[in-house]
Amino acid sequence: EPEVTQTPSHQVTQMGQEVILRCVPISNHLYFYWYRQILGQKVEFLVSFYNNEISEKSEIFDDQFSVERPDGSNFTLKIRSTKLEDSAMYFCASRGDRWNTEAFFGQGTRLTVV
Amino acid sequence: SQQGEEDPQALSIQEGENATMNCSYKTSINNLQWYRQNSGRGLVHLILIRSNEREKHSGRLRVTLDTSKKSSSLLITASRAADTASYFCATDGGYKYIFGTGTRLKVLA
Repeated sequence: EPEVTQTPSHQVTQMGQEVILRCVPISNHLYFYWYRQILGQKVEFLVSFYNNEISEKSEIFDDQFSVERPDGSNFTLKIRSTKLEDSAMYFCASRGDRWNTEAFFGQGTRLTVV
Repeated sequence: SQQGEEDPQALSIQEGENATMNCSYKTSINNLQWYRQNSGRGLVHLILIRSNEREKHSGRLRVTLDTSKKSSSLLITASRAADTASYFCATDGGYKYIFGTGTRLKVLA
């Protein structure tokens, strides 16, 4: 069964450092998402991406964040200068089309900023 | 209440019993999805129900949707210890899903 894969599964970084979280969405999916979940809290929307541009972003997704689909398979989230409060589980998701299809999530990357 | 708010927040039942979780939301939606999350793990898609559907089944899962009340319920029948997890509803109203606060289900063997 096709799945969304994320790497790394766990990343520890120093405050102020840049991190790139990587995702390989399901092949032939067109819509891509990043979410985050701070430990014990709800899953929060960060950004959606379609046709090589951002469709929608949340207030959390400020200038420190960027997304890219550098090739036909990867979808990345970059955090330019990490803060302690960026520590969270980050989930990538993809779905096939815009309406009434399931969104499939990866296993997540646990980011710890120290 | 927030968009996509589940109740109860926590539920503890005996194996074999049924578990019902509810989700309420505020805005109009295209569809609503339910996900399961085992502790510290990823989100596993369970079921999608479209806004024009009222009920849907998948194995031991039964989902209902009442768009007039802006609410949905997830019923897990004949629960098993392996069903212990957090369950989230996610509403699709555009270019994003909005997740609820989740219900932590514990099934005791």
